[in-house]
Amino acid sequence: EAQVTQNPRYLITVTGKKLTVTCSQNMNHEYMSWYRQDPGLGLRQIYYSMNVEVTDKGDVPEGYKVSRKEKRNFPLILESPSPNQTSLYFCASRTGWGLDLTGELFFGEGSRLTVL
Amino acid sequence: SQQGEEDPQALSIQEGENATMNCSYKTSINNLQWYRQNSGRGLVHLILIRSNEREKHSGRLRVTLDTSKKSSSLLITASRAADTASYFCATGPSGSARQLTFGSGTQLTVLP
Repeated sequence: EAQVTQNPRYLITVTGKKLTVTCSQNMNHEYMSWYRQDPGLGLRQIYYSMNVEVTDKGDVPEGYKVSRKEKRNFPLILESPSPNQTSLYFCASRTGWGLDLTGELFFGEGSRLTVL
Repeated sequence: SQQGEEDPQALSIQEGENATMNCSYKTSINNLQWYRQNSGRGLVHLILIRSNEREKHSGRLRVTLDTSKKSSSLLITASRAADTASYFCATGPSGSARQLTFGSGTQLTVLP
């Protein structure tokens, strides 16, 4: 089954304790992206990757890191989480990165993070 | 930055009625997409309409796009309780801006 898998789905942590949210897709997609969703603010892009070893900042990258060492994986790293990073996080992927740069996205089920 | 803005923010209708949601955006686009999100779940792509298209259908969904007014509408006909969800428009800008930008969504409640 084609899917984007995120882990963990739920996490409660404390300020400053490094954490990683993993994301894996089995559709051989070149493009992957991380979003955060907050009430009233919709989805905001954190980082995206056009292909292996190619990453770029989205609208709200502060406090986050990413890496793309393999095509299927795109982990989101919070080096020193703070309470304002409490949010619902989504990983997404899509095929292609050519002329049609904004095709259909496939989303994971989300990771709800609480930072105390 | 948010490009698309949905209207209304919340909509409550009876089963069997039609639901219409609107999306307005600010800059030129390559395409506009609609996504659905059930409570606490991931977003699911519903339909994509390109800037040179005016209307598109998919099952009970009908999407229109008016690039002169920079607006789109999503019509769900003969709604069902299972259509209860949040609906988001996402704009795919043209030119150098390359990322999809999502609005804040319309919460649709279909009452049985």
